[in-house]
Amino acid sequence: RKEVEQDPGPFNVPEGATVAFNCTYSNSASQSFFWYRQDCRKEPKLLMSVYSSGNEDGRFTAQLNRASQYISLLIRDSKLSDSATYLCVVIPNFGNEKLTFGTGTRLTIIP
Amino acid sequence: GAGVSQSPRYKVAKRGQDVALRCDPISGHVSLFWYQQALGQGPEFLTYFQNEAQLDKSGLPSDRFFAERPEGSVSTLKIQRTQQEDSAVYLCASSPLRDTGRQPQHFGDGTRLSIL
Repeated sequence: RKEVEQDPGPFNVPEGATVAFNCTYSNSASQSFFWYRQDCRKEPKLLMSVYSSGNEDGRFTAQLNRASQYISLLIRDSKLSDSATYLCVVIPNFGNEKLTFGTGTRLTIIP
Repeated sequence: GAGVSQSPRYKVAKRGQDVALRCDPISGHVSLFWYQQALGQGPEFLTYFQNEAQLDKSGLPSDRFFAERPEGSVSTLKIQRTQQEDSAVYLCASSPLRDTGRQPQHFGDGTRLSIL
């Protein structure tokens, strides 16, 4: 089983719709969680960190459920510019600095 | 800009050749990471430096892969006797802190390596 699992998609969503992605992680001791965005042939860029209390940044909301070991990302009022691959990222534990990535979920917003 | 810089951007090599990929991290960043991203997959960790010390090389797929950061700034990833399965994008990332849980990593554009 992979350490971080995501539905690869693709998700094809009409502009203005709401879309949600989930991600599960296997290591219950995992400490830090992020969503990164990657455009085609570009580097991953941090979209937002994910906190236990949930956090929101404009149209984006991230949630963490430690009991069920999953992370979610909600995008409201989707824009054409939201088309990208969304990578779920976990830092497994303290003292282990590496990022562990999911496969990524590909999102295309349709006009 | 002052981001992470990688070179070359693209590299084509014949199977069996050696290649060297360079990463210039953001100035002053303590931590430096190398990742390998195969087509359609997320990046996979290769190795990690804190200043000049290589603290984790558990992700290097074979002894053909070697990384160094001799002066604690620029890093080079070397692949000897390249194989077709080495074809991937190699990403370098840096972070200013030891605890990257609080300051996630900044990535370079990557080097796209194709082995013929």
